[in-house]
Amino acid sequence: SQQGEEDPQALSIQEGENATMNCSYKTSINNLQWYRQNSGRGLVHLILIRSNEREKHSGRLRVTLDTSKKSSSLLITASRAADTASYFCATGGEETSGSRLTFGEGTQLTVNP
Amino acid sequence: GAGVSQSPSNKVTEKGKDVELRCDPISGHTALYWYRQSLGQGLEFLIYFQGNSAPDKSGLPSDRFSAERTGGSVSTLTIQRTQQEDSAVYLCASSRPSRETQYFGPGTRLLVL
Repeated sequence: SQQGEEDPQALSIQEGENATMNCSYKTSINNLQWYRQNSGRGLVHLILIRSNEREKHSGRLRVTLDTSKKSSSLLITASRAADTASYFCATGGEETSGSRLTFGEGTQLTVNP
Repeated sequence: GAGVSQSPSNKVTEKGKDVELRCDPISGHTALYWYRQSLGQGLEFLIYFQGNSAPDKSGLPSDRFSAERTGGSVSTLTIQRTQQEDSAVYLCASSRPSRETQYFGPGTRLLVL
């Protein structure tokens, strides 16, 4: 079963607005990652946050992690039409790094021009 | 440099036939992963190879599924006696040793008629 659960399942906003997507998980983790997928094909890695980190930035992306609530959020600021895609969170287990990732079912983001 | 490549891009087969899907990881990446994504869903882990260690096959859904990795590089995922429920996009990813970020190929879209 999928560990990560994204919320909302779908999000539609206007260009220039901010988009916030949330992810919850169930077990202990080593890290949490966010990926983007266009048109149901390959995934692109966006950002990784470790279990001892609370916030991380990369360009227009801001990720937070609350291990006490087992949740993470991805904020995309000043969205663009090109940000339209599916966004997935994925958790990496504690036992080993570089092992399997457990993905949520994703948030479909639509940015309207 | 070259990313992860997969072939074929699309495969249509008849129920009961065997199929082979190929993955060429990024050069130097010792970890290789196979995932499956059904329409509108998140990624489901199938199998993980790390160097010369025994693969983690715990995600394979049935004994009709098998995978090999020859020479620590190219991997082949084989599905025997395909069923309609095997229809999905099969994604391969690779990563460097001790690094959590996974780099995904474009996937193979499998349709079983």
